[in-house]
Amino acid sequence: AQKVTQAQTEISVVEKEDVTLDCVYETRDTTYYLFWYKQPPSGELVFLIRRNSFDEQNEISGRYSWNFQKSTSSFNFTITASQVVDSAVYFCALSTYYGGSQGNLIFGKGTKLSVKP
Amino acid sequence: DTGVSQDPRHKITKRGQNVTFRCDPISEHNRLYWYRQTLGQGPEFLTYFQNEAQLEKSRLLSDRFSAERPKGSFSTLEIQRTEQGDSAMYLCASSLGEWAGEDTEAFFGQGTRLTVV
Repeated sequence: AQKVTQAQTEISVVEKEDVTLDCVYETRDTTYYLFWYKQPPSGELVFLIRRNSFDEQNEISGRYSWNFQKSTSSFNFTITASQVVDSAVYFCALSTYYGGSQGNLIFGKGTKLSVKP
Repeated sequence: DTGVSQDPRHKITKRGQNVTFRCDPISEHNRLYWYRQTLGQGPEFLTYFQNEAQLEKSRLLSDRFSAERPKGSFSTLEIQRTEQGDSAMYLCASSLGEWAGEDTEAFFGQGTRLTVV
C-alpha cells in the first residue's frame, strides 16, 4: 500500500527562522514520484517540486530546499529564513504507477506552518 | 492560460438536493482529476479522466457521485441526494501526459467548497 505521513500537524516559527517539514512515505514500487504542494488560505494547491525515485540529489530553489533519502523513505522540506508569506499548509504527496492508480497523487495530512512577524 | 478553473467556488445546499460542479482544465491537458478534501486532511483521489474516458474511480466515489468529461475538455462532478458527510472542498486538477508524475505535475484549481445543511 502507498502512504504518506506528515507527523507535524502544526509548526509555528518567528520570521527569519529556518524550518523543516518532515515527510515519510511508503511504497513497494521502485518507480515513483514525490511532490510538495503549498496550500495558502485561498485554497489552491500550488506545486513546489517533483522528485523521481531515481534522483536522490538534493535540490535548492531560493529559500527552499529538499532532502530526499531513499534509505529512510523521507523527503523533507526546509525553508530558510522564513517569511510571513510562507504561512500555509504544506502537503507532501506520492505518485506511483503500478501500486496505486495510474498517477493519482496520494497526499499526507499536511503541516500547517505559521510564520509570525 | 488562466489555469484550472472551478465553478462555483462555494455552494450551500440542503441535504437531499443534487449539486453539480464544473471544472475547466488547462487547455490541451488530457488528464483531469477530481479530489475531495475535508477539514484538516489532505486531498483524497476520487476519479480521473484521460481525455473523455473515465479510467479510474476511487471507492470513495459512491453511486451518488458521477463525473463526466463529454468532449475531453471541461468536466462535471454531480452529487445526488447530498448528505452532510459530503461537505468538503472538491478540487479539480489537470496534467499533460499519461502519467502525472512522468511528464508534468498536476495543476490544481481553487476548488469548490460544498456545505450541506
